[in-house]
Amino acid sequence: QSALTQPASVSGSPGQSITISCTGTNSDVGGYNYVSWYQHHPGKAPKLMIYDVTNRPSGVSNRFSGSKSGNTASLTVSGLQAEDEADYYCNSYTSSSSYVFGTGTKVTVL
Amino acid sequence: QVQLVESGGGVVQPGGSLRLSCAASGFTFRSHGMHWVRQAPGKGLEWVSVIWYDASQEYYSDSVRGRFTISRDNSMNTLYLQMNSLRAEDTALYYCVRLFGNNAMDVWGQGTTVTVSS
Repeated sequence: QSALTQPASVSGSPGQSITISCTGTNSDVGGYNYVSWYQHHPGKAPKLMIYDVTNRPSGVSNRFSGSKSGNTASLTVSGLQAEDEADYYCNSYTSSSSYVFGTGTKVTVL
Repeated sequence: QVQLVESGGGVVQPGGSLRLSCAASGFTFRSHGMHWVRQAPGKGLEWVSVIWYDASQEYYSDSVRGRFTISRDNSMNTLYLQMNSLRAEDTALYYCVRLFGNNAMDVWGQGTTVTVSS
């Protein structure tokens, strides 16, 4: 159950787009369309942003979108805003019927 | 409103035990799988355990298997995590989380803090 690999940090200017990658294996990301993404502001509970690779819960801005290719999933944030500055984590279901989070990415809005 | 409230955290010595509880309200608890997720100080999120809606299946991370036990009481709308043989590396904020569908963790509690220290 090794953590999924994410870049430690990603930054962008307001209005720009950024993409966060999440790399796993055939036993997790690549094997199932069960990847989700979470936004976590320090001191608050994490928030679900994307589930089942591409689905957005009601109330989440359409500036957030998800995709997957092979063993790598991605979260794209378009029209970057100051309030998007947070930590982001991916999560995947695994072949062991367990779950695994990514290492986390700190997004900075310049 | 939909709410999860954790309790039971505290300071415990290495090798000790603790039981966390999570009270659910505002939704049909017995219809949802439930997770425990933790975050150690300065670290990322770590998945701990999941239990199916009817308690028929439960799964654990390698780091806690054999030491932690997840359970639920659907009549009391409550989720539990029995933690035995605690280690310093179990020190973390523990979140109770609702499972939506196959993989969405859509409702999170505010967490309860566990500190393992002598």
